[in-house]
Amino acid sequence: AQSVTQLGSHVSVSEGALVLLRCNYSSSVPPYLFWYVQYPNQGLQLLLKYTSAATLVKGINGFEAEFKKSETSFHLTKPSAHMSDAAEYFCAVGGSNYKLTFGKGTLLTVNP
Amino acid sequence: DGGITQSPKYLFRKEGQNVTLSCEQNLNHDAMYWYRQDPGQGLRLIYYSQIVNDFQKGDIAEGYSVSREKKESFPLTVTSAQKNPTAFYLCASSTGTGLEQYFGPGTRLTVT
Repeated sequence: AQSVTQLGSHVSVSEGALVLLRCNYSSSVPPYLFWYVQYPNQGLQLLLKYTSAATLVKGINGFEAEFKKSETSFHLTKPSAHMSDAAEYFCAVGGSNYKLTFGKGTLLTVNP
Repeated sequence: DGGITQSPKYLFRKEGQNVTLSCEQNLNHDAMYWYRQDPGQGLRLIYYSQIVNDFQKGDIAEGYSVSREKKESFPLTVTSAQKNPTAFYLCASSTGTGLEQYFGPGTRLTVT
C-alpha cells in the first residue's frame, strides 16, 4: 500500500523568499516520487520526478526536491519565490502497479 | 503537438441525466486514468485502463462507467446514480507501471 502526506494545506511566502513544501510517503516497494503543479482551472503539470537515480532532483521553473529514504521524505524547494509560483502543488508516489497515489495538495501563496 | 484533450471545458446538466466526458490522447500511451478533484481532497481515482478493452475500478467508481475501445480514447460517463457529480474531472495517461502521468486540462461538471 502507498500513501502520501503533505504537511500544510496552505503555505504563504514573500516574493524572493525560500519555498519549502513538505511531502512524506509510505511505500512497500522502492518508490517513484513526483511533484506536480496545478494552476486554477487547469490540469496538473509535472514539475519533477525521482526514479531511483540521483537523490537530488531538479525540475522546471527552478524547483528541486531531495529524496531522503531514512526520513521517507521528498520535500520540494525553490530558493527564491516568484509571483508566478502561486499555485497548488501535489506530491505523488508510484510503485509496482499502474497507479499513482496523490497527496491532498498544498496551496502556495506568494505575497509581494 | 502530443498531448491529452478533454472536452468540453465546462459542462452543465440537470440532475437525473447521464453525461459523457471525452478524453483523447495522441501520446501513444497504453494506460489512461480518470480522476475526480474536489476542493481540499486532492485527486481521487475513478477508473483506469492499462490496455485497450480492459479497465479497472479505482477508489470511487460507484456511479461512473468507462469504455476503452481505442488506445487513444477513454470516455467517462457520469450516471444518474452518482450522488454528488459536481466536480472537476481530470483525465491522464502514462506509459506504464509507476511512471509519471500526463494530464489533460480537465472538465468542470456542474449538475443542478
